[in-house]
Amino acid sequence: GAVVSQHPSWVICKSGTSVKIECRSLDFQATTMFWYRQFPKQSLMLMATSNEGSKATYEQGVEKDKFLINHASLTLSTLTVTSAHPEDSSFYICSAPPGGQRGGEAFFGQGTRLTVV
Amino acid sequence: LAKTTQPISMDSYEGQEVNITCSHNNIATNDYITWYQQFPSQGPRFIIQGYKTKVTNEVASLFIPADRKSSTLSLPRVSLSDTAVYYCLVGALSSGTYKYIFGTGTRLKVLA
Repeated sequence: GAVVSQHPSWVICKSGTSVKIECRSLDFQATTMFWYRQFPKQSLMLMATSNEGSKATYEQGVEKDKFLINHASLTLSTLTVTSAHPEDSSFYICSAPPGGQRGGEAFFGQGTRLTVV
Repeated sequence: LAKTTQPISMDSYEGQEVNITCSHNNIATNDYITWYQQFPSQGPRFIIQGYKTKVTNEVASLFIPADRKSSTLSLPRVSLSDTAVYYCLVGALSSGTYKYIFGTGTRLKVLA
């Protein structure tokens, strides 16, 4: 099946700094990528939809100026957590949507564990 | 958007069959039902998908009644390594993109 690669798998950063997370589709082109956030013992929460060549769309309550999303090519989407704070510590996961209009297997990255100290 | 409801947690013993039921009363005509498994600190992994009746693959079976308002994931003879969170997903078509909204999931604990 298709592979989505996420990098880094974990990162520790100081409060106030910015962190970039990359999500690559390795063997297919993805015009759309989804970014999720997951806190411990909780479900995945959809943050935003990344669209190649256009602005990302954010879910309600997600600060677009804090979570910058760039989808500059058909194989790479990035999420930058700006001015990170300890409460941003979480597990971030990207995914490429199903290929068909009726659903199907979405392809998830391995996730990135962000710890802000 | 179709919402899913699952039991929060389940316990089972090794070798037993585990059935996890999910309700999705507002499922749309074209929606498929997809189940994912997630281990701690990993991305979700696809298990099975179906539209109606029964689907079986090498790891699970999926039972979907005629009204499609619910579905049951069946895991035969679970082992300790099946301890994970299982998510039932019904895709939502939004702005031309098919995306998944995750519900609470079911935390399955397999005991020795």
